[in-house]
Amino acid sequence: GAGVSQTPSNKVTEKGKYVELRCDPISGHTALYWYRQSLGQGPEFLIYFQGTGAADDSGLPNDRFFAVRPEGSVSTLKIQRTERGDSAVYLCASSFTGTSGGPGNEQFFGPGTRLTVL
Amino acid sequence: DQQVKQNSPSLSVQEGRISILNCDYTNSMFDYFLWYKKYPAEGPTFLISISSIKDKNEDGRFTVFLNKSAKHLSLHIVPSQPGDSAVYFCAAIRFGNEKLTFGTGTRLTIIP
Repeated sequence: GAGVSQTPSNKVTEKGKYVELRCDPISGHTALYWYRQSLGQGPEFLIYFQGTGAADDSGLPNDRFFAVRPEGSVSTLKIQRTERGDSAVYLCASSFTGTSGGPGNEQFFGPGTRLTVL
Repeated sequence: DQQVKQNSPSLSVQEGRISILNCDYTNSMFDYFLWYKKYPAEGPTFLISISSIKDKNEDGRFTVFLNKSAKHLSLHIVPSQPGDSAVYFCAAIRFGNEKLTFGTGTRLTIIP
């Protein structure tokens, strides 16, 4: 596809369950980012991949959160033992090289996955 | 610690008039500032950016102004159109640190 895609678009789960959220970046983009947007807030950075490796995971809130990008394309965000506070929209973005936010290397966002933890 | 702030949660502007959205930041190390536009149920869409070494960047109806001494930037939309109704996020980034830091957003409503 032309843009960043994320699946599922909505996920409802129960407290304590495990969830996986998937992101397909724009073809050819080497950099991939995960953000989380809570109600009334702007997106908050979680993790950034350059190729297959996590270049910056400083935004992951705790060790229940983990993300992988094994082949340098699709990424999966994994949340263990979900809590009600994890409810948010999880956004994925990709950019061509990830070397700056400047012209030609902007981050393009997917539509997000709305996660609701009951 | 909110490094990027948008103090107006909402703004209503008559169609055809100028819309001015404001953003303040606290971190003087930011190298680039960006504006994103977000429609409901969609991801943010890049709109326009400005380097910290510039004070103005224009793209069609959209102009971003940067005042580094005041740590303030603004987005001007003129003339405003109904399709501009959306939530606008201000964001900032440092070179070598690739995460975007977003403000809380301003909901712009264009009144026909």
